[in-house]
Amino acid sequence: GQNIDQPTEMTATEGAIVQINCTYQTSGFNGLFWYQQHAGEAPTFLSYNVLDGLEEKGRFSSFLSRSKGYSYLLLKELQMKDSASYLCAVSYNTGFQKLVFGTGTRLLVSP
Amino acid sequence: GAVVSQHPSWVICKSGTSVKIECRSLDFQATTMFWYRQFPKQSLMLMATSNEGSKATYEQGVEKDKFLINHASLTLSTLTVTSAHPEDSSFYICSARDQRTQYFGPGTRLLVL
Repeated sequence: GQNIDQPTEMTATEGAIVQINCTYQTSGFNGLFWYQQHAGEAPTFLSYNVLDGLEEKGRFSSFLSRSKGYSYLLLKELQMKDSASYLCAVSYNTGFQKLVFGTGTRLLVSP
Repeated sequence: GAVVSQHPSWVICKSGTSVKIECRSLDFQATTMFWYRQFPKQSLMLMATSNEGSKATYEQGVEKDKFLINHASLTLSTLTVTSAHPEDSSFYICSARDQRTQYFGPGTRLLVL
């Protein structure tokens, strides 16, 4: 199977930095996505990595190492509204570019 | 970013009835759409890939006769849950793909009594 592993839950305080890791199977890898999902809502797109390295977008950054099958999402200057689930999803080489989602990491930001 | 809509946003139905959910890409054409199901505190599970003008591709374990998918045009895909049962109660989310990523609809919460 194409297992995508993430920690189940993480906690952090407002203003801090948190790193959410994701590991995946590398065979057929095409690209990696991070989505944010608030409870009861659909996921919203955060980032896309296809090459090695760090992609920075405001307070959020995403890193990819293709050879290691590893990615992380870095959230800086945490705000209460960042409390949500963060989903790592991998696109594998299929004809339809379908995504395989990890279990998601529930992040709780406390004051 | 691209916009994907879903209708209805929530539905309550009796066991044995059928429910149709619509997914529309509002500002782009999508030859491929995806249908996901999400149970509480779990991640998204892909049910099927909807292809405009051809049959849908179902994931292993998903009954194609129970979850009927029709991709009628480049902007519309429908999922019909036939003879719904309480275990079908879930959050159903569609997505439409452009060249770069998938954009998700707001989801449809289904409750079967």
